Amino acid sequence: RKEVEQDPGPFNVPEGATVAFNCTYSNSASQSFFWYRQDCRKEPKLLMSVYSSGNEDGRFTAQLNRASQYISLLIRDSKLSDSATYLCVVQAGTALIFGKGTTLSVSS
Amino acid sequence: NAGVTQTPKFQVLKTGQSMTLQCAQDMNHEYMSWYRQDPGMGLRLIHYSVGAGITDQGEVPNGYNVSRSTTEDFPLRLLSAAPSQTSVYFCASSYLMGFSGNTIYFGEGSWLTVV
Repeated sequence: RKEVEQDPGPFNVPEGATVAFNCTYSNSASQSFFWYRQDCRKEPKLLMSVYSSGNEDGRFTAQLNRASQYISLLIRDSKLSDSATYLCVVQAGTALIFGKGTTLSVSS
Repeated sequence: NAGVTQTPKFQVLKTGQSMTLQCAQDMNHEYMSWYRQDPGMGLRLIHYSVGAGITDQGEVPNGYNVSRSTTEDFPLRLLSAAPSQTSVYFCASSYLMGFSGNTIYFGEGSWLTVV
């Protein structure tokens, strides 16, 4: 089993749609969790950290379920500019483990 | 506001050649790391360092060497380039791991082709 697994995608949605990405991780000792965004041929950039209580940043909501070892990202009212690859990232010890990413394409 | 600076951005190597990818950060981060990103494989950790003089192997260290003589610099050396090392390489840095919310800063990437 891969350490961090994500929905394979791609997700193709119209503007204004709500889309959810899921991620599971295998190491129960994982400490911190993040969603990163990566645009084509660019470096990954932090979208948001994920906390046990869940957290929201504008149209983006992240949830963590430690018991099920599951992380989610919800994007509401999708914009064209949300088109990118979203990486689920899990910290275990001093290592960051990246999922392969889920590609989102938002069309008008 | 330089952040993480990687050079070169593009490089073509012949099989067997050696080269060094440079990485420097000006944020006084203890933690620095190198990843490679291949299609369908995601980002994989090559080597990392938690401070000057300390390095450790990641998931895919074979064929690469690193050193950390200063806090700012973390070069990645390809000892004898192979076509399998054709990839995009990212250097990243942050304050020491273990603190929730630590932001990892990435360089812009180095596109390496080995022919």
